[in-house]
Amino acid sequence: EAGVAQSPRYKIIEKRQSVAFWCNPISGHATLYWYQQILGQGPKLLIQFQNNGVVDDSQLPKDRFSAERLKGVDSTLKIQPAKLEDSAVYLCASSLARLTYEQYFGPGTRLTVT
Amino acid sequence: GDSVTQMEGPVTLSEEAFLTINCTYTATGYPSLFWYVQYPGEGLQLLLKATKADDKGSNKGFEATYRKETTSFHLEKGSVQVSDSAVYFCALSRTQGGSEKLVFGKGMKLTVNP
Repeated sequence: EAGVAQSPRYKIIEKRQSVAFWCNPISGHATLYWYQQILGQGPKLLIQFQNNGVVDDSQLPKDRFSAERLKGVDSTLKIQPAKLEDSAVYLCASSLARLTYEQYFGPGTRLTVT
Repeated sequence: GDSVTQMEGPVTLSEEAFLTINCTYTATGYPSLFWYVQYPGEGLQLLLKATKADDKGSNKGFEATYRKETTSFHLEKGSVQVSDSAVYFCALSRTQGGSEKLVFGKGMKLTVNP
């Protein structure tokens, strides 16, 4: 079974530039999550999708972050414009259903904002 | 709000040493508890879980017991191997507003030397 795929694996941009991350969840997984993991901290949930609808985006800084999951499969997370404090690893995870305990994580995208 | 506190690292052990990683939580009600592991260059993987008080989760020689009275979920392994070198995250999960939320601790980096 293929795991959660993410790209790119690394990205370096200057502040005020925009960036987009892509995630392809495990086939058949209805629930998709984006997390932000700042160095030295645990992952923090940014947004959760159930199929192509948003379930929870309470922690997403909506003035600069946006995310979509068209057709309920792949998802993109965008930051525009980026700030220095956005430097982090962005993790995508998926699970079979909304109320399941086990989430499967991708390898993450390491973003550096200079 | 809900939170997870882990012992801070990094920790370096010799092969075959005994491992304990402390984890305590703050939450209303009775969350489910997890240990996730992140090997170098890979995404987080679920290591073990416990869904109710006194449950013991176990996997790959690791164990953790859900202690409601001390709000703890300490991870233990009797004899670590070089391949156990990774970052370990304690997490809790609760259902809220029809969705499941994972709250992570900061993680602890373990290095095992031969």
